[in-house]
Amino acid sequence: SQQGEEDPQALSIQEGENATMNCSYKTSINNLQWYRQNSGRGLVHLILIRSNEREKHSGRLRVTLDTSKKSSSLLITASRAADTASYFCATDYDMRFGAGTRLTVKP
Amino acid sequence: GAVVSQHPSRVICKSGTSVKIECRSLDFQATTMFWYRQFPKQSLMLMATSNEGSKATYEQGVEKDKFLINHASLTLSTLTVTSAHPEDSSFYICSAVGLGGTNSYEQYFGPGTRLTVT
Repeated sequence: SQQGEEDPQALSIQEGENATMNCSYKTSINNLQWYRQNSGRGLVHLILIRSNEREKHSGRLRVTLDTSKKSSSLLITASRAADTASYFCATDYDMRFGAGTRLTVKP
Repeated sequence: GAVVSQHPSRVICKSGTSVKIECRSLDFQATTMFWYRQFPKQSLMLMATSNEGSKATYEQGVEKDKFLINHASLTLSTLTVTSAHPEDSSFYICSAVGLGGTNSYEQYFGPGTRLTVT
């Protein structure tokens, strides 16, 4: 089974709204990474958060990590139509991906 | 940042032929490389884990004789799809793992190779 499991599977919002997606994992980790994938394209690394970090920001992205709950969340603020993509998480322990969250941002 | 390249980016081949896909880490040494495949609108599926100088570890259900993986150096891994069939048509993505800034391993993805078998 996958190490990273994203939730929800699909999310549809209006431009300007915030989008939050979650990831759960099963074992202890050193770091967790979030990726974006546009339809038919390769993966783009968004952000890496280490196990001793609780929150990390990068532009409009905010990632939190709760190692006690083995979960992470990715928040995209002030979403844009260009943010429409699938988002995946993966950990350094297990490189299997979950199904991802398909985000659709409507203009 | 670290860069991983894949070659070719697209390939069309006839059924029954073999296709080789290269994955290179351009500016770092990759202790481990991973190979994934992705069908349209589906998630990435890990096919195998490749460590330099040793045999690849294949995931359950992946035929090792069909998907030959060679990791000859710390910067190059190859995936050969042997006797390709139309059902092998997919997006193949590699990733390389190397030491990041604070001495923890980080994963970097290649851009992917789209294989179409006719």
